[in-house]
Amino acid sequence: AQSVSQHNHHVILSEAASLELGCNYSYGGTVNLFWYVQYPGQHLQLLLKYFSGDPLVKGIKGFEAEFIKSKFSFNLRKPSVQWSDTAEYFCAVNAWYGGSQGNLIFGKGTKLSVKP
Amino acid sequence: EPEVTQTPSHQVTQMGQEVILRCVPISNHLYFYWYRQILGQKVEFLVSFYNNEISEKSEIFDDQFSVERPDGSNFTLKIRSTKLEDSAMYFCASFGTDTQYFGPGTRLTVL
Repeated sequence: AQSVSQHNHHVILSEAASLELGCNYSYGGTVNLFWYVQYPGQHLQLLLKYFSGDPLVKGIKGFEAEFIKSKFSFNLRKPSVQWSDTAEYFCAVNAWYGGSQGNLIFGKGTKLSVKP
Repeated sequence: EPEVTQTPSHQVTQMGQEVILRCVPISNHLYFYWYRQILGQKVEFLVSFYNNEISEKSEIFDDQFSVERPDGSNFTLKIRSTKLEDSAMYFCASFGTDTQYFGPGTRLTVL
């Protein structure tokens, strides 16, 4: 069965620090990869996605992620975090089955707290 | 920008009661989903729906759950006889060209 692992449960950083959140997935076939963010009291919003092509993808708000196929990883990065990045971050994967849209498998999430 | 909407935002019910959670997906989307997130746990897939029928469901989605698209715009999740462990945030999502868009969620509290 597919699974997604997020290594960090809670990360605490000061403003301007660099961020890297780990994500590994287990699935041998073709996958689509996503990072979603959930700000306090709000719904899940898409940060970025990878389907194919350049393994370094850029998303909104200065976030980027790198897909490393050999490591089954899709880590999220941001060079300099802001207080407003305080949120919970979810890595997710889905697999395409002959053109139909598979469901998303989520990691447990990483809570990011940024100290002003 | 079009959004997925959900009502109510918070539902409190007694154990054993039926609840219906409502979602209005983005209008030109064809695939719809329900997920749930128990407090402190990960988001879990419940069911996907396409062409007026269930296309995939998880083992969580047992006979107590059902989904319907009654009128071409709403997409509902019904829980026939709620249990304490059904307390969770329920998210609806709809699929566009390549991405699932999530609604704000309904917090279900079963007492």
